[in-house]
Amino acid sequence: DAGITQSPRHKVTETGTPVTLRCHQTENHRYMYWYRQDPGHGLRLIHYSYGVKDTDKGEVSDGYSVSRSKTEDFLLTLESATSSQTSVYFCAINEGRGSNTGELFFGEGSRLTVL
Amino acid sequence: EDQVTQSPEALRLQEGESSSLNCSYTVSGLRGLFWYRQDPGKGPEFLFTLYSAGEEKEKERLKATLTKKESFLHITAPKPEDSATYLCAVRGSNFGNEKLTFGTGTRLTIIP
Repeated sequence: DAGITQSPRHKVTETGTPVTLRCHQTENHRYMYWYRQDPGHGLRLIHYSYGVKDTDKGEVSDGYSVSRSKTEDFLLTLESATSSQTSVYFCAINEGRGSNTGELFFGEGSRLTVL
Repeated sequence: EDQVTQSPEALRLQEGESSSLNCSYTVSGLRGLFWYRQDPGKGPEFLFTLYSAGEEKEKERLKATLTKKESFLHITAPKPEDSATYLCAVRGSNFGNEKLTFGTGTRLTIIP
């Protein structure tokens, strides 16, 4: 079972402030992902990483940046939060360690509210 | 663009009453259709992957099937603990190998 820890689990912030969400995994998985989940939209991919310092954009990447300086940590940053970024954010890893099986294991989520 | 539509949006069943959830999809070059279960306040939990039409997978009271245009999640004699939102997702060949396109889910409630 992959160990994924997301922090913070809940955050309320104001428009224009920077926010960083952290995803920490304990089992050396290569692929890591950030998704957001909103009513009526389903889960949407923001950014993903396929190794240390190797990241790429997903379908809703505007307003977000990511970094992965260590295998175990994948950070999602909102440089200047907007109300449209109020959402539940999920980190996920790909269970197929070195390969990409498409079978994802998700964290518990981080609920972000931007006032 | 890959698309996934799930129906119904919500379904209430009596305990023991079997039914099916539908996932219709359009995708360029299917590289997997995935079913997940999501409990309130939790992240989705992987259930099945299907790759080709005619394929079936089973797990306890759940069976997933796949055709060229849709997938069904059959629930046989459900129990209250099967209550959850069930998500369907597809991976196509257009967006490299990474993007899963998710549907909005079917919220299943099993009444004791």
